[in-house]
This record gives sequence, C-alpha cells and structure tokens, in this order.
Amino acid sequence: GAVVSQHPSRVICKSGTSVKIECRSLDFQATTMFWYRQFPKQSLMLMATSNEGSKATYEQGVEKDKFLINHASLTLSTLTVTSAHPEDSSFYICSAPVTSRNEQFFGPGTRLTVL
Amino acid sequence: AQTVTQSQPEMSVQEAETVTLSCTYDTSESDYYLFWYKQPPSRQMILVIRQEAYKQQNATENRFSVNFQKAAKSFSLKISDSQLGDAAMYFCAANTGTASKLTFGTGTRLQVTL
Repeated sequence: GAVVSQHPSRVICKSGTSVKIECRSLDFQATTMFWYRQFPKQSLMLMATSNEGSKATYEQGVEKDKFLINHASLTLSTLTVTSAHPEDSSFYICSAPVTSRNEQFFGPGTRLTVL
Repeated sequence: AQTVTQSQPEMSVQEAETVTLSCTYDTSESDYYLFWYKQPPSRQMILVIRQEAYKQQNATENRFSVNFQKAAKSFSLKISDSQLGDAAMYFCAANTGTASKLTFGTGTRLQVTL
C-alpha cells in the first residue's frame, strides 16, 4: 500500500531556531502534498498545499515566510518553521494523494515543542 | 468553500453495540467526496470509509457504513458490533477530488466500554 513517512517524529527546539520537517512518499510519487497543523484536542487545519516544482499555496492566515515549504522532488516535501516560538508548538501532519486509489495517505505526524 | 460540522464532541458505546456519529457539510460544488477518518492515540490518520457524492448507494466497509443524505447534506457513520479498538477520534472530511485539500470537522471522540 501507499506509505507516507515523516521525519522527525518529534523535535524539541529553543525559541528563535528553525526546524525542518520532512514528508516522504515511500512507494509512490506525489506532485501535491498537504501540510496540516493539529493543536491538542482539536481538528486538523490545513496550512498549505505543496506543489512539486512550483510555489506552495498557503491558506489564509498562514505566514508563508514563517512556514517555508519546498517540494523539491516527486517524493519529498519539507516544511521549515523559521524562528520558532512557543506558540508554534503543535502536531504537524502531511498527506499525499494517490489518484488511482482516490485516497489521501497521511504521515505519522511530527510533534514540535518550542521551549 | 466547504464546511464540515460534527455536533457530537464525545460519544460512548458499549462493546458489541451500534453507534452513529453525525456529520453535516456545506458545499457549492456539484462533485465532491466525503470521508470518515479515525485517529487513534497514536495520532496516525486512518481512512475508515469514503463516499462519492454522485453515488446514491451508501458506502459500506465491513462493520462501518454511512447514511448519505445528499439533499440534507448529511453524512453519518454507523459502527456496528463496536470493538475496543474502535475507540478513537473520528473526523468527517470533504474535498472536491483526490488531489484536492480536505476540510475536516471538529471531530468526535468515541469511547467504547465493556
């Protein structure tokens, strides 16, 4: 089946530093990937759509300069949280669609804690 | 734009019983897809069942079935013969195609008791 991995699974960083989260489609290619943020006991909120070979599309209210997205290949999208602050602490999840199965597959998520 | 509403923050069901989780949605699109996802404590999102809006027949996957009422924009999930492993957060979601973004409801936490 289609598998999406994320790395790291959990990261703790100091305020002001940048953190990169990788999302990989392991056995299929994805021209599009999605990045979500999930606060405790809340739903998934779409942050941006990552497009291979072009700029990401950000949802309203998401700072593109703070959450840098790069979709450098058909199997890898990265989300960089720049100058992280404690309010950026959250669970970040990526997903990638498999058109032939009419389904999106989710990564296991990355728990970010900013001290 | 799409909106998805889940009005039940928490539900409880006894093992082996049946429970129904509610979901309503709103969309201006004529073609769309509806989903139920399960998020266990591991937080891995798992697809439970999906429904294409153009299909009149309700989707069924083993113990999971939906009641899709297109005119009422309602998409409820029925879990039969509930098992302890069904305990999780359940999210209703919608999109307009496989490669399009998903809009999620606020979720329903399902507890399964002995």
